Amino acid sequence: AQKVTQAQTEISVVEKEDVTLDCVYETRDTTYYLFWYKQPPSGELVFLIRRNSFDEQNEISGRYSWNFQKSTSSFNFTITASQVVDSAVYFCALSEAIGSGGGADGLTFGKGTHLIIQP
Amino acid sequence: DAGVTQSPTHLIKTRGQQVTLRCSPKSGHDTVSWYQQALGQGPQFIFQYYEEEERQRGNFPDRFSGHQFPNYSSELNVNALLLGDSALYLCASSLREAGVYSYEQYFGPGTRLTVT
Repeated sequence: AQKVTQAQTEISVVEKEDVTLDCVYETRDTTYYLFWYKQPPSGELVFLIRRNSFDEQNEISGRYSWNFQKSTSSFNFTITASQVVDSAVYFCALSEAIGSGGGADGLTFGKGTHLIIQP
Repeated sequence: DAGVTQSPTHLIKTRGQQVTLRCSPKSGHDTVSWYQQALGQGPQFIFQYYEEEERQRGNFPDRFSGHQFPNYSSELNVNALLLGDSALYLCASSLREAGVYSYEQYFGPGTRLTVT
């Protein structure tokens, strides 16, 4: 069975501080996909990034960066120089590959981290 | 490029009633997944439809059923509503066509269901 743990329920920082959101996952599959989604107060989940299990390269996109470490089953997300607009609930999710036919299973989400950026 | 759309936005039902929620996938997508998100929790996977068939199902009772139409749109039906079914129901679409599949699921704005 797959599981995603986001131990930080809520994080509050002052604008311009850096902040890291932790994500630890469990899966028995060797091929899987990891995701981060942002859920602003409006409620719609916004896709941020997907990482394949066979690609441990870290990624940077503007102020966002992701650190994937298979050895510790972690996929952490860092926001540099945080802004008030970054305030939202962030979810880490895991999906396992569907056999050999391509595509991916339904997502297993963590409980989310509520990030509050204070001005 | 039209994103994922869901209807209705909000819905209030009485315990024991039945409800149908609707979803239209993002343009070019052929797979629809449904999720239930209780207040303060992460979304939970209900089921996934591809080629008009249920392909995978999460840990939800048979009261939850669905359908996918030839145009890839989908419905989620919940029978015999319980108070605990009150939640935000999210629809997500993705592409599974062999050889061109993507793994990202794009979510709609959700339907807020309240059961009284």
